Amino acid sequence: ETGVTQTPRHLVMGMTNKKSLKCEQHLGHNAMYWYKQSAKKPLELMFVYSLEERVENNSVPSRFSPECPNSSHLFLHLHTLQPEDSALYLCASSQDPGTPFSGNTIYFGEGSWLTVV
Amino acid sequence: AQRVTQPEKLLSVFKGAPVELKCNYSYSGSPELFWYVQYSRQRLQLLLRHISRESIKGFTADLNKGETSFHLKKPFAQEEDSAMYYCALRGATNKLIFGTGTLLAVQP
Repeated sequence: ETGVTQTPRHLVMGMTNKKSLKCEQHLGHNAMYWYKQSAKKPLELMFVYSLEERVENNSVPSRFSPECPNSSHLFLHLHTLQPEDSALYLCASSQDPGTPFSGNTIYFGEGSWLTVV
Repeated sequence: AQRVTQPEKLLSVFKGAPVELKCNYSYSGSPELFWYVQYSRQRLQLLLRHISRESIKGFTADLNKGETSFHLKKPFAQEEDSAMYYCALRGATNKLIFGTGTLLAVQP
């Protein structure tokens, strides 16, 4: 399969559960991202990894813990979430965060719908 | 601060009518602007970017630095254009900041 794939597509978890979202990209990119898409709010950048190193943490609560074991895989570990964390979590990748006007396009996965009950 | 504003949550037009999806931005430097589109049950994907000055699926967008706008236009809407459209900005920090999106509904 090509592109950016995310699993699971849907996840329902309790506030005391521990779960993980997985993302895999088959584009040969070296930067990966997690975005959060909530109702009534813009897409929010959560984390950026470049060459497997976290280069940005956009003030995300510690109950979200990312992991990037290699340039093709990205995880988002979830622990003691709150109902307001229910959202669509989008993974994306690009050639690298690059410099402005480098022309590198960001490609998105289909997202993982998370519901916290 | 970087900010992208899409004032319309929903834009409904009839097939064949012109379409303009508004996008205004706030950024002190020279931004890089994009339009992303999400069709029903599909992933978010790049539609066009201002540096390319291209027309994709009949859509164009011109960066107007004076008005700090990057409106998306198409002269004749098609039913298959119905989708969620997001304007996005990338500045010196390389963060991609999105607007809240506009749902375009093209009626037959």
